[in-house]
Formats: sequence, structure tokens, C-alpha cells
Amino acid sequence: QITLKESGPTLVKPTQTLTLTCTFSGFSLTTVGEGVAWIRQPPGKALEWLAHMYWNDDKRYSPSLRSRLTITKDTSKNQVVLTVTNMDPDDTATYFCAHIRDSYAYGSYWGQGTLVAVSS
Amino acid sequence: DIQMTQSPSTLSASVGDRLTITCRASQSINNWLAWYQQKPGKAPKLLIYKASTLESGVPSRFSGSASGTEFTLTISCLQPDDFATYYCQQYNTIGTFGQGTKLEIK
Repeated sequence: QITLKESGPTLVKPTQTLTLTCTFSGFSLTTVGEGVAWIRQPPGKALEWLAHMYWNDDKRYSPSLRSRLTITKDTSKNQVVLTVTNMDPDDTATYFCAHIRDSYAYGSYWGQGTLVAVSS
Repeated sequence: DIQMTQSPSTLSASVGDRLTITCRASQSINNWLAWYQQKPGKAPKLLIYKASTLESGVPSRFSGSASGTEFTLTISCLQPDDFATYYCQQYNTIGTFGQGTKLEIK
């Protein structure tokens, strides 16, 4: 059974860096074809794909946010970390991580999400 | 960037109805399209991938089809549990989602 769970701060100040951790079970990022994505959703708005990475350390980023995003993995801990620099109130959103299978970048299983507010 | 235009944004329907939701891609995505269902306060749930492949465990009243850059999600006989918001997502390149269709009870 695949499960994912997001963790991190619920409130950050403008200009700060957000660090979110996705801890997963039921698959391994040492297995060919596996991957993890980060997606966000501002309150009342649509989903936005941020970044994803694969078992082979191949990483992809949203072009509009590329300069502010970094995605990394720790296979020993079954974790994927997303950092977002220079946070702005417009970055207030629920952040989800999701499982990618067979190297196809859609979300087959999703975490519950974590709401991050950006405010001074 | 590939843009996904989803319509309608809101749809009112009754239990038992048949309905379709449409997504149009701004360029070819080779049928790399997924559909999700999202209920308030919950994570999205995968319904369909590769435009028409039903995810395991998803009821067969859900189906997807493709014609060029136009994609449709059809629910053949609406059930009370189906009232939710639906999103399409292309994954030919870094993912982009449609703006969502909120399905409401008429």
C-alpha cells in the first residue's frame, strides 16, 4: 500500500525559504520508474504542478517557478524535499506530494496535503 | 508551456444524468492526459490516465476519450458520490492542469 505525507511549517514570512518534506511508504526511489511530484493549490483555486523527480535523479521544474524551486531525495529515509525560495503571499496554498509510476508524470497516489500560509 | 482549457467551469446535474467535461490542449500532448476527482478538503484522486485508461478501482461509469487535442471525461450515470470538482492534467511535458469543473447537484 502506497502512502505519502507532507510535513513542514504552516506559516512563513515573506522572503523566507519554505522547506517541505514528503515521507512515503510502499515504494522506493531506488526502483526504476518510480518518482515523486509536488503540486500546490491556492485556496479556492486550481491545481498547479511544481516539480517532480525520478528514481534516477532526473528532475523537472515548472518553467514559471524554476528559479525558486529545488527538489531532492533521501532514499535512505524514503523522503523527497522541496524548497521554495523568496516566499510571497501569493504562494499561500495547500502543498501536495504525489507518487509517480512507470516514469509517467501524473499523480497515482497523493498525500493529504499541507496548508502553508505566507504572512508577516 | 502547454495550456489546458477545461469546460464548463461549473455544471449542474441530477443523479442518473450522463455528462461530459472537456479539456482542450494548446498543442499536441500525444494523449498523455489524466483526469482527477477532488472533493472539498481532500487530495485529488486519479480516475483516468493515458486519456482513456481507467485507474484500478474506479467505477466503469467513468470513461475518457480523445480526438486530437480535445479530451473528454464522461460520467454515464451520475451517482451522489460523484458531485465534486474534476481536473484534467497533461503530462506530455511538465504537468499543467485545467482550471477545473465543479459538478453541482441540480
